[in-house]
Amino acid sequence: AQTVTQSQPEMSVQEAETVTLSCTYDTSESDYYLFWYKQPPSRQMILVIRQEAYKQQNATENRFSVNFQKAAKSFSLKISDSQLGDAAMYFCAYRSALVNTGTASKLTFGTGTRLQVTL
Amino acid sequence: KAGVTQTPRYLIKTRGQQVTLSCSPISGHRSVSWYQQTPGQGLQFLFEYFSETQRNKGNFPGRFSGRQFSNSRSEMNVSTLELGDSALYLCASSLEGGNPLAALHFGNGTRLTVT
Repeated sequence: AQTVTQSQPEMSVQEAETVTLSCTYDTSESDYYLFWYKQPPSRQMILVIRQEAYKQQNATENRFSVNFQKAAKSFSLKISDSQLGDAAMYFCAYRSALVNTGTASKLTFGTGTRLQVTL
Repeated sequence: KAGVTQTPRYLIKTRGQQVTLSCSPISGHRSVSWYQQTPGQGLQFLFEYFSETQRNKGNFPGRFSGRQFSNSRSEMNVSTLELGDSALYLCASSLEGGNPLAALHFGNGTRLTVT
């Protein structure tokens, strides 16, 4: 079974600064997908960024980028130029690429990191 | 295009009762999956439905069940409610079931409180 670990329950960053959220995972699979989701007080989970394990290049979406280290099973999220609207719970998630077994339909989430953004 | 709609947003039930939660996916989406979110256990996968068939099921007791209708709308049912079933229940839809690249679109959830 796959597990996802987020060791930082809470983080704080000043507006306009950069913050990095950590995530490690454990799997015996060689092909999979990793995601960061954001959950604001509205409760809706919003996809921030995703990474395919077979791609060596780190994914980037505007101010959000990841540092994917496959050998170390590490997948951190960097938020640059932090904004007040970035304040939320951030969840790291794993999804298998084994389509035929049906397991690809399941996301395994970490416990989340609450990000505070201060002025 | 309307997003994923979950009803009701809040629900209060008593131990032993049963409850039904509803999820309407984004138009055209055929896959619906359900997650339970609690402070203690975090986010846990309940089940996924695609074209009215359950494709995958999480590690939950048989009291938790679901179904999907021909219009892709889904319902989940919890029978004989326990205090530990108090949680935020999130529904997510995607175009294709089992495709790990297909983006999951989540609803705002149903907050269930069992007293």
